[in-house]
Amino acid sequence: DSGVTQTPKHLITATGQRVTLRCSPRSGDLSVYWYQQSLDQGLQFLIHYYNGEERAKGNILERFSAQQFPDLHSELNLSSLELGDSALYFCASSQVGAGDLTTQYFGPGTRLTVL
Amino acid sequence: AQSVTQLDSQVPVFEEAPVELRCNYSSSVSVYLFWYVQYPNQGLQLLLKYLSGSTLVKGINGFEAEFNKSQTSFHLRKPSVHISDTAEYFCAVSSMNSGYSTLTFGKGTMLLVSP
Repeated sequence: DSGVTQTPKHLITATGQRVTLRCSPRSGDLSVYWYQQSLDQGLQFLIHYYNGEERAKGNILERFSAQQFPDLHSELNLSSLELGDSALYFCASSQVGAGDLTTQYFGPGTRLTVL
Repeated sequence: AQSVTQLDSQVPVFEEAPVELRCNYSSSVSVYLFWYVQYPNQGLQLLLKYLSGSTLVKGINGFEAEFNKSQTSFHLRKPSVHISDTAEYFCAVSSMNSGYSTLTFGKGTMLLVSP
């Protein structure tokens, strides 16, 4: 158990819909990262937040957005869903700025199925 | 930009045999290197990492990896595998271009250990 929690575990929805994925980082971690894992694209970095502020963006679609709240949990919002958005979405956290800052600890993921 | 190539998508091996999973990276600046393991239906778990210092890095579960700067490689090895090592293994890199904050993953290598 990495200490990173993600809800829900599974999500099934229809094309055109909007969903929200939630992540709680490990206690004390200030950074949250979102990744998408799909069969054709592999594991891709989406976005990084540090203490509430966006720090880096990867291959994140404009239909996707994220935020990190004052209690450090993060949400990834996916809208106008397409079949191709079906994937496993991982959240990771790290204690950037102190100690073992380069290790990212991954949550169990949310499996999104778009029908 | 940085990239990671995992040369084998699948590596079948018999139990108690040695194994090497290959990883090559591309980056114009100094990097940190990681190996993560993903067991079926689970998130990613850090096996080991190279930040600096000794080029031979030991990780959990008897795995080790060697950083070779001239060959831009970071191959993962285990002298004797177990059935329980069956999983997908991901090599990842982060560099100073991203403030060492984002990970770029390879496509993964599925290690299949049979009796």
